[in-house]
Amino acid sequence: DAGVIQSPRHEVTEMGQEVTLRCKPISGHDYLFWYRQTMMRGLELLIYFNNNVPIDDSGMPEDRFSAKMPNASFSTLKIQPSEPRDSAVYFCASSTTSVSETQYFGPGTRLLVL
Amino acid sequence: AQSVTQLDSQVPVFEEAPVELRCNYSSSVSVYLFWYVQYPNQGLQLLLKYLSGSTLVKGINGFEAEFNKSQTSFHLRKPSVHISDTAEYFCAVSDRGNDMRFGAGTRLTVKP
Repeated sequence: DAGVIQSPRHEVTEMGQEVTLRCKPISGHDYLFWYRQTMMRGLELLIYFNNNVPIDDSGMPEDRFSAKMPNASFSTLKIQPSEPRDSAVYFCASSTTSVSETQYFGPGTRLLVL
Repeated sequence: AQSVTQLDSQVPVFEEAPVELRCNYSSSVSVYLFWYVQYPNQGLQLLLKYLSGSTLVKGINGFEAEFNKSQTSFHLRKPSVHISDTAEYFCAVSDRGNDMRFGAGTRLTVKP
């Protein structure tokens, strides 16, 4: 398997623009996670899905952030409008049968909002 | 809910020296414990995990960790580090259900 795939790997945008991050989980994995990593706050769980259904979005910072999983092989994280404080590395991860199992991380998307 | 504390934010060591990265957790239930490694500009990858059984767990790249229930610790060790071990290391704990928490990370720097 190719592992978790994320695109783009790098994104530079201007404040106020819409940003869409994409993730393809490992085939057969039922759980998908979105994380944000910054120097100040470390690794934060934003939201996770089970069988394409959002289970816990309590980590989503505010209404500017939204995530969808239209099918088992694709998820998006959207920021609209983007702000400089959203600059971070965003990771997608997937796991097989539960939140408690090993999570497999993608390479991340490094987002810079100017 | 459980929580994880990584006691050292940075650990500098010389090549071929032993290293211990400390991790303590708190939980009211039985837990699973994990160590992940993040190399520069990469995502996290699993080093090792404790689910049950032997309290000494061996992982990849010569790392091992010991689960100590009485001290609620899961410290990571390696007897002799290499330059290539330079990375950030994350301890994580799960409640065997729907919650997984990551520590703040420990940056290991191996110097020649």
